[in-house]
Amino acid sequence: DTGVSQNPRHKITKRGQNVTFRCDPISEHNRLYWYRQTLGQGPEFLTYFQNEAQLEKSRLLSDRFSAERPKGSFSTLEIQRTEQGDSAMYLCASSLSYSTGGPRTDTQYFGPGTRLTVL
Amino acid sequence: AQTVTQSQPEMSVQEAETVTLSCTYDTSESDYYLFWYKQPPSRQMILVIRQEAYKQQNATENRFSVNFQKAAKSFSLKISDSQLGDAAMYFCAYRSDSGGGADGLTFGKGTHLIIQP
Repeated sequence: DTGVSQNPRHKITKRGQNVTFRCDPISEHNRLYWYRQTLGQGPEFLTYFQNEAQLEKSRLLSDRFSAERPKGSFSTLEIQRTEQGDSAMYLCASSLSYSTGGPRTDTQYFGPGTRLTVL
Repeated sequence: AQTVTQSQPEMSVQEAETVTLSCTYDTSESDYYLFWYKQPPSRQMILVIRQEAYKQQNATENRFSVNFQKAAKSFSLKISDSQLGDAAMYFCAYRSDSGGGADGLTFGKGTHLIIQP
C-alpha cells in the first residue's frame, strides 16, 4: 500500500494526558498537512510542512499542540495536557509540489485519520 | 479569511439519476483552486474533482462535473448516473493561490449523499 498511513487509528486517553500521532506520507511527497475534523464538520487546517520546514500554522494550533517532521519524511503531532475539546479525527495529507512560489497545483491525498477520544 | 458554504446537509437521489450538490465560497482573491472531496463512511477522503479558478472551462471526470461560476462564487458538483458506491459525505474545499502562504484547504461542512436503490 503506497498511500498515506496514520497510526494509531484510534486513541482513547484521559484528560490531562499527552498523546502523539504519526503520519507516513506517500514516499515521494514533499508536503505534509495536518487537519482536525470534528463530528458533523469539515476538516480544519492545522499546519503543514514543506520537507522538514513547518511553513504555516493555523490559529487553531494552540500551544499544547506541536508537530514535527524531522527528516522530511514522516511527521508526528503531539497534544499535551489533552482536553475533552480535543476529541476529534486528526487527518494527515500529503502532496508533491514541483515549485515553491509558483502555482500550487498539487493535489492533497489524505490518510485514514486517527480518532482521538478524550475522557 | 475565506469561507466555504454547503447549504445542503443531506441529499437523496435514486440510483441512476442525476444529483447536484451546491457550494458557494467567499474570497477576495482572484487566483485559487476549488475541490470536491468524497468521504465514504469510515473511509478516507478521496479527491473527486478539481477546478482552477483561471480556467473558464468546467472540469469533468467521468460521471462527475462541476458548474463553476466565478462571478457568483459558486461551485456545484453534478453526479450523473448515480451509483450505490457514490453514497458518502461530499466536501467542497477552497485553496488560495495567492503566493502568500495559506496552503491549507478550507472545507465546507459537507453534504451527506444518500443513494436510493
